[in-house]
Amino acid sequence: DSGVTQTPKHLITATGQRVTLRCSPRSGDLSVYWYQQSLDQGLQFLIQYYNGEERAKGNILERFSAQQFPDLHSELNLSSLELGDSALYFCASSVSTLNEQFFGPGTRLTVL
Amino acid sequence: QKEVEQDPGPLSVPEGAIVSLNCTYSNSAFQYFMWYRQYSRKGPELLMYTYSSGNKEDGRFTAQVDKSSKYISLFIRDSQPSDSATYLCAMSGSEGAAGNKLTFGGGTRVLVKP
Repeated sequence: DSGVTQTPKHLITATGQRVTLRCSPRSGDLSVYWYQQSLDQGLQFLIQYYNGEERAKGNILERFSAQQFPDLHSELNLSSLELGDSALYFCASSVSTLNEQFFGPGTRLTVL
Repeated sequence: QKEVEQDPGPLSVPEGAIVSLNCTYSNSAFQYFMWYRQYSRKGPELLMYTYSSGNKEDGRFTAQVDKSSKYISLFIRDSQPSDSATYLCAMSGSEGAAGNKLTFGGGTRVLVKP
């Protein structure tokens, strides 16, 4: 158990809908990262927050957004969902911005 | 061409053998190197973390980094059936505009047969 928690574990929804994924980092970790894992693209970095502020962006679609709250938990919002958004979404956390990242168990999103 | 290349396998070995995994990369800005283990549909588990060329050992695991050749390796000694998983290499650069996002290889599937 890495200490990073993610909810929900599974999410099944329809195209065009909006969902919110939640992540709680390890105790003491200030940095949160979101990754997407699909069969054809592998693990891809989406976005990073550090102590409430956006630090870096990857190939995150405009339909996706995230935020980190004062208690350091983070949410990833996915809107106007398409079939191709079906994937595993992982959250990771680290103490600062140069330390090793620990991953949560992931949320499996299925868009029908 | 991908920034990080990793043979997808599968790599099948008998129990007790040494598992040898490797990744090559093209971006000389990468300074930090990690190996993760991922069981099917689970979160990646950090095995090794290193930031300098040379060897690092932790139990049955040894990580090697050769920055001059842009090549990293992971060796697993005395492999067990429970080591059957997908192994992912990951890399990041120094903090900057890019933060320290991880760039992953595609993963190598390993099967350890009893």
